[in-house]
Amino acid sequence: TQLLEQSPQFLSIQEGENLTVYCNSSSVFSSLQWYRQEPGEGPVLLVTVVTGGEVKKLKRLTFQFGDARKDSSLHITAAQPGDTGLYLCAGAFGGDDKIIFGKGTRLHILP
Amino acid sequence: DAGITQSPRHKVTETGTPVTLRCHQTENHRYMYWYRQDPGHGLRLIHYSYGVKDTDKGEVSDGYSVSRSKTEDFLLTLESATSSQTSVYFCAISDKQPFSGDTQYFGPGTRLTVL
Repeated sequence: TQLLEQSPQFLSIQEGENLTVYCNSSSVFSSLQWYRQEPGEGPVLLVTVVTGGEVKKLKRLTFQFGDARKDSSLHITAAQPGDTGLYLCAGAFGGDDKIIFGKGTRLHILP
Repeated sequence: DAGITQSPRHKVTETGTPVTLRCHQTENHRYMYWYRQDPGHGLRLIHYSYGVKDTDKGEVSDGYSVSRSKTEDFLLTLESATSSQTSVYFCAISDKQPFSGDTQYFGPGTRLTVL
């Protein structure tokens, strides 16, 4: 059974600080995605990474895929209150028709 | 925004009653998924469909059935609702297989309470 472990589960920091959240698995991903979910809404895709070592940037968010494609990180620079939300990673394995979600990191940015 | 709607958006029902949730898409995407989201468990896959009349089980399929008679509609049925099925249910769609890295678009969710 493939599992995705996300850490930390909760993170509360001041506006302007930097932070990193992690997504780890014992299995190799075919692709990995990061989603953000706000209260009362469905998750929205932020990024997809498919190549080991890949780094993608989305404004103040930097996503990195591990060389062995078993882990990923999301780094936020100068966090803002608008970054508050639940961050979910999701991985696809092999030729599966489905993806597995981690339990998420709940991020709260204090103004 | 991808054209996905879920109905109803909120429902309160009693233990033992049947419940059907509907997901409707206007994107003509091949894949459709039903997830449930619970505190401490994240999103867990219930059932998914890879084409009309083609469905398969996810990790938490017990107590649920699905049907897809048209590309645009994917129905989730709780044959006899139990309190453990109180949850928020999300439908999602994608055009290609997940291992390709294709995007899953999520609906707004249905909040189901079983008393």
